[in-house]
Amino acid sequence: KAGVTQTPRYLIKTRGQQVTLSCSPISGHRSVSWYQQTPGQGLQFLFEYFSETQRNKGNFPGRFSGRQFSNSRSEMNVSTLELGDSALYLCASSLDTGYGTGELFFGEGSRLTVL
Amino acid sequence: EDKVVQSPLSLVVHEGDTVTLNCSYEVTNFRSLLWYKQEKKAPTFLFMLTSSGIEKKSGRLSSILDKKELFSILNITATQTGDSAIYLCAVGKNSGGSNYKLTFGKGTLLTVNP
Repeated sequence: KAGVTQTPRYLIKTRGQQVTLSCSPISGHRSVSWYQQTPGQGLQFLFEYFSETQRNKGNFPGRFSGRQFSNSRSEMNVSTLELGDSALYLCASSLDTGYGTGELFFGEGSRLTVL
Repeated sequence: EDKVVQSPLSLVVHEGDTVTLNCSYEVTNFRSLLWYKQEKKAPTFLFMLTSSGIEKKSGRLSSILDKKELFSILNITATQTGDSAIYLCAVGKNSGGSNYKLTFGKGTLLTVNP
């Protein structure tokens, strides 16, 4: 059973550019969550999608957005990149976000560097 | 605002030592507490705890939750170099309807030296 796949694994952008990251969840998983991980802040929740609807949202500015497609694949977009957006972006999938186990399966992340 | 605080932030031990990692939380509508291990990139699931006082055990790792005092500990006995990793604690809550949201702590970096 394939795990969570994130692309690209590494990317370098300059300030002001925008970036799109992709996540393919484990087959059958309908929930996809996105996290930003930095050494100083740890894992911070960005948003979560379930059946193409944003179910939860963290405290990030509107430059961060996402969407989920009918096949549960998800993308997140960051516009007008800032130096502080440099981070590891992790995607996680789970069967259900309701009263399920809550166990998340993480991808290996997309390492974004903003110059 | 929900808070999950892990301590210590980093820890260096020798092989064979026993370590205890701590996680305290302030979360409304608590549902569960989870522990993850992050060695390189992707965190991997260790335990989920929902009830106080019931120890979960997997090999040399064990964890317990105290819902009255709002904390959990993760114990690792007879540590090995392969235990070197960041250990993440996350608390799940009901966030309206059937929504479920995880808040992570900043993690504990464990280094096990030979």
